[in-house]
Amino acid sequence: GIQVEQSPPDLILQEGANSTLRCNFSDSVNNLQWFHQNPWGQLINLFYIPSGTKQNGRLSATTVATERYSLLYISSSQTTDSGVYFCAVEKLTFGTGTRLTIIP
Amino acid sequence: DVKVTQSSRYLVKRTGEKVFLECVQDMDHENMFWYRQDPGLGLRLIYFSYDVKMKEKGDIPEGYSVSREKKERFSLILESASTNQTSMYLCASSFNFRGEQFFGPGTRLTVL
Repeated sequence: GIQVEQSPPDLILQEGANSTLRCNFSDSVNNLQWFHQNPWGQLINLFYIPSGTKQNGRLSATTVATERYSLLYISSSQTTDSGVYFCAVEKLTFGTGTRLTIIP
Repeated sequence: DVKVTQSSRYLVKRTGEKVFLECVQDMDHENMFWYRQDPGLGLRLIYFSYDVKMKEKGDIPEGYSVSREKKERFSLILESASTNQTSMYLCASSFNFRGEQFFGPGTRLTVL
């Protein structure tokens, strides 16, 4: 089956910093989604982005389908951005996530 | 807003018990999914359903069954719970099969 790799596994940043999370996948996809799992375990869908670029406030995502990767950008980080960010493809196969910790 | 609810946030059962996990969505979504989440393994798909009474196996269906008698409700059944089924169980729904998925809050199941 399709493999999904996320990097980095852990990221610790000061409040206000910017970050880039990466998702590589092993085959072409028709479905790619980014999720944020908050410290209480709730998964929130951030983007549905099988290709192209989308922006939502301080978050944006780009998927380059031909090169099999997607990037999630977080600008001006806030402590509420802490949690685990997952990339998932197709129906869905999840990566193992990037744990982001924002320090005040 | 889409709302996906799960019957319990925490559940403790004994080995060999039959366990029912219920999931309800209120947005008339065709597709519903059950995942389990374990440390170091991420989320893995157990079963999904694309219509009432229709079901398909995911990546790890062994030891589980599902039921979808009504469009809004998708149940995960552990016929005889075992300790290796201790996990966080997450339900999701989507309008299109490969569309945006919306997740419930999860059920943390402990099997003793």
